[in-house]
Amino acid sequence: QVQLVESGGGVVQPGRSLRLSCAASGFTFSNYAMHWVRQAPGKGLEWVAVISYDGINKYYSDSVKGRFTISRDNSKNTLYLQMNSLRPEDTAVYYCARTPQWLYPFDIWGQGTMVTVSS
Amino acid sequence: DIVMTQSPDSLSVSLGERATISCKSSQSVLYRSNNKNYLAWYQHKPGQPPKLLIYWASTRESGVPDRFSGSGSGTDFTLTISSLQTEDVAVYYCQQYYTTTWTFGQGTKVEIK
Repeated sequence: QVQLVESGGGVVQPGRSLRLSCAASGFTFSNYAMHWVRQAPGKGLEWVAVISYDGINKYYSDSVKGRFTISRDNSKNTLYLQMNSLRPEDTAVYYCARTPQWLYPFDIWGQGTMVTVSS
Repeated sequence: DIVMTQSPDSLSVSLGERATISCKSSQSVLYRSNNKNYLAWYQHKPGQPPKLLIYWASTRESGVPDRFSGSGSGTDFTLTISSLQTEDVAVYYCQQYYTTTWTFGQGTKVEIK
């Protein structure tokens, strides 16, 4: 069935780096734009980044611009989020989500992976 | 960025009664060229990923019960649950996908009275 599975979360010290992965299955990954969305403890959903189906176009929220990099490997059906210079306020559950077209809602979400930034 | 503001922040409704959530955007999310509102609603339960309920402001996603409905245009939108069920207890978010900074409302928590 259609599935997105995130991995790579964990506890990391401020200033360090972490890379999240999102493995896709059950659909043609290379046809879809992909997003990262996060939810800090007790807070709402915050859109983080998007990458086009071909990996050419990328956009970021102001809160992560310059620190996070979204990428994808269509041959491996996998989405990535490289997170550098992590801050305590980056602590959140990180979800990957797909969208059938560029300006479209997110129809399938992964279960999420927890990232905790703490010394 | 387009700011999405929901009201109320929380809502307590009796079983079988109507629940209504409002969402206002800081600018119109209506594309004149196709007359579509780039507005979606999601349901989020603890320990689960968000679930798409409504898109284009009023189109129900496949499999979503018809007690969920969306309405509105431009900057003002509403999600209505016509007869609240126990399984509807969740946080509901509106989202605009009109621009390349997809923003969510702050969420509305729906509980049983």
